[in-house]
Amino acid sequence: DVKVTQSSRYLVKRTGEKVFLECVQDMDHENMFWYRQDPGLGLRLIYFSYDVKMKEKGDIPEGYSVSREKKERFSLILESASTNQTSMYLCASSLFGPGSYEQYFGPGTRLTVT
Amino acid sequence: AQTVTQSQPEMSVQEAETVTLSCTYDTSESDYYLFWYKQPPSRQMILVIRQEAYKQQNATENRFSVNFQKAAKSFSLKISDSQLGDAAMYFCAYRSAYGGATNKLIFGTGTLLAVQP
Repeated sequence: DVKVTQSSRYLVKRTGEKVFLECVQDMDHENMFWYRQDPGLGLRLIYFSYDVKMKEKGDIPEGYSVSREKKERFSLILESASTNQTSMYLCASSLFGPGSYEQYFGPGTRLTVT
Repeated sequence: AQTVTQSQPEMSVQEAETVTLSCTYDTSESDYYLFWYKQPPSRQMILVIRQEAYKQQNATENRFSVNFQKAAKSFSLKISDSQLGDAAMYFCAYRSAYGGATNKLIFGTGTLLAVQP
């Protein structure tokens, strides 16, 4: 059974704090993704990674960074959290290659920045 | 750039009835993939159905089927014999076949489906 897990379901942080969101997948997938989900905006891609230590910016990378030191783990970092980063964050993974490969999602982390 | 539009923010259906969720997309590419994902309340997002643009036949998965109209750039999802467990947010997504191997998806804004008993 495929599995993507995220370190926290709910997180409350203060403005200016450094925040780490962790994602782990057990499917040996090359691709990993971080999305932000906001009502009325759908899912927007923040960053993705197609290999260890490789990363590419998505559509809304400002204010975020990522780290992928191991194939199974992909971290999203908010260097200095701001209230406009209050959102649901979803991690996903998929196989690497052409074709209609599906993405497998984690349960999400609801982050509140106060 | 490609875009995906879901014009129905919310829909409602009676149990056992049929409902159709709309999705349109904009692209200049000829080869791509389309997906419908389901996000139940407080649960993980899962794939419902997928369609390869080069296939003329509409995809079907049990009670879920699509109406893929390539010329009209339309990709609607039909749910037959709706069940209470179908209540969820549904997202339409697009993936270019020319985007390399990184499998990036472009999502619509979602349709929240309520199922009435």
